[in-house]
Amino acid sequence: SQQGEEDPQALSIQEGENATMNCSYKTSINNLQWYRQNSGRGLVHLILIRSNEREKHSGRLRVTLDTSKKSSSLLITASRAADTASYFCATERETSGSRLTFGEGTQLTVNP
Amino acid sequence: NAGVTQTPKFRVLKTGQSMTLLCAQDMNHEYMYWYRQDPGMGLRLIHYSVGEGTTAKGEVPDGYNVSRLKKQNFLLGLESAAPSQTSVYFCASKPSGKDTQYFGPGTRLTVL
Repeated sequence: SQQGEEDPQALSIQEGENATMNCSYKTSINNLQWYRQNSGRGLVHLILIRSNEREKHSGRLRVTLDTSKKSSSLLITASRAADTASYFCATERETSGSRLTFGEGTQLTVNP
Repeated sequence: NAGVTQTPKFRVLKTGQSMTLLCAQDMNHEYMYWYRQDPGMGLRLIHYSVGEGTTAKGEVPDGYNVSRLKKQNFLLGLESAAPSQTSVYFCASKPSGKDTQYFGPGTRLTVL
């Protein structure tokens, strides 16, 4: 079963706007990661947040984690057409060792 | 470094045929993973390996077998392909003690 549920499933915005994607999960985790997938390509790691962290930044990316609500959000600021891709959250559960469980993804389209 | 490579990129099989997908990584990573990705869904773990000579079942292992005879290679076998195995298959690897997985470009498999 899928650990993560993401919303929205699809998001369409204009260049320069911010994009926010949300991820919810069900069981206790060690960390939560966000990956990006361009059409027809493999996944690329974007950012990781550990269970004892609440917020992390990396360039135009900001990720938050609320373990009490079992949810995370990924914010991409000042979006660009090149940000068009699918974005997946993945959780490493406390009981899963080094395995990740992926959400169903959010398809982001940034219109020029 | 080539990173994670997958062979072949595309393959069409008839029901009942067998085939092997090859994943190779040149980063000396201990952990390797095989996932499948179906339309509108995130990645689901098929099998994984925590080191040379070891394999373990993931979330959806039925109908697949794997082998890790060499540290750099992780093979995924389909003994008798079924249409339900039509999917895009991704391989990933990661070093021990780290959390980020590195993905290959994928193999698109169609079973008729």
